[in-house]
Amino acid sequence: GQQVMQIPQYQHVQEGEDFTTYCNSSTTLSNIQWYKQRPGGHPVFLIQLVKSGEVKKQKRLTFQFGEAKKNSSLHITATQTTDVGTYFCAVFTSGTYKYIFGTGTRLKVLA
Amino acid sequence: DAGVIQSPRHEVTEMGQEVTLRCKPISGHNSLFWYRQTMMRGLELLIYFNNNVPIDDSGMPEDRFSAKMPNASFSTLKIQPSEPRDSAVYFCASSLTSEGEQYFGPGTRLTVT
Repeated sequence: GQQVMQIPQYQHVQEGEDFTTYCNSSTTLSNIQWYKQRPGGHPVFLIQLVKSGEVKKQKRLTFQFGEAKKNSSLHITATQTTDVGTYFCAVFTSGTYKYIFGTGTRLKVLA
Repeated sequence: DAGVIQSPRHEVTEMGQEVTLRCKPISGHNSLFWYRQTMMRGLELLIYFNNNVPIDDSGMPEDRFSAKMPNASFSTLKIQPSEPRDSAVYFCASSLTSEGEQYFGPGTRLTVT
């Protein structure tokens, strides 16, 4: 079946440092979504990317969709303690016609 | 809007018992999803419905699991009989379309002893 890997699995950063998580698919994607889950909480939608090479920004967060539509990245500039949580990508393909969630990257920010 | 509502929030039961989890999606949303989350397996899609019709149940682990959506405002996920390996957090999510932004409920933490 389709595999969606996210790297790294865990990341500890000092507050103020940057952070990047990568999402890689074995197949070409129709679109991709990103979610954030705080400890003890539920996933919360952040953004959806559709176009090849698309870049979207939300304040300190930058999302990018690869040119081949097989990978994506989420970059956080100058992390804050409020950024703590697990970041998931969710990929959608026309073949499966459903979202498959990645393995997630757990971010810890040290004050 | 109250968002997606799930009940119960916590459930502790003994092996062999029947467990029923409930979900009320956001009004007007046409797609409903059931997920299971564990440390080992991550966030897994169990089944999803479009307009109350089950579209993909390939993620349902085995015959002990069943899901229904009798109307647009209610869905259940039933496990019978439950086993310790079913212990997990079960999330329900809804969206306007199957490709759209998903809104997750708070989840039900199930413990089977």
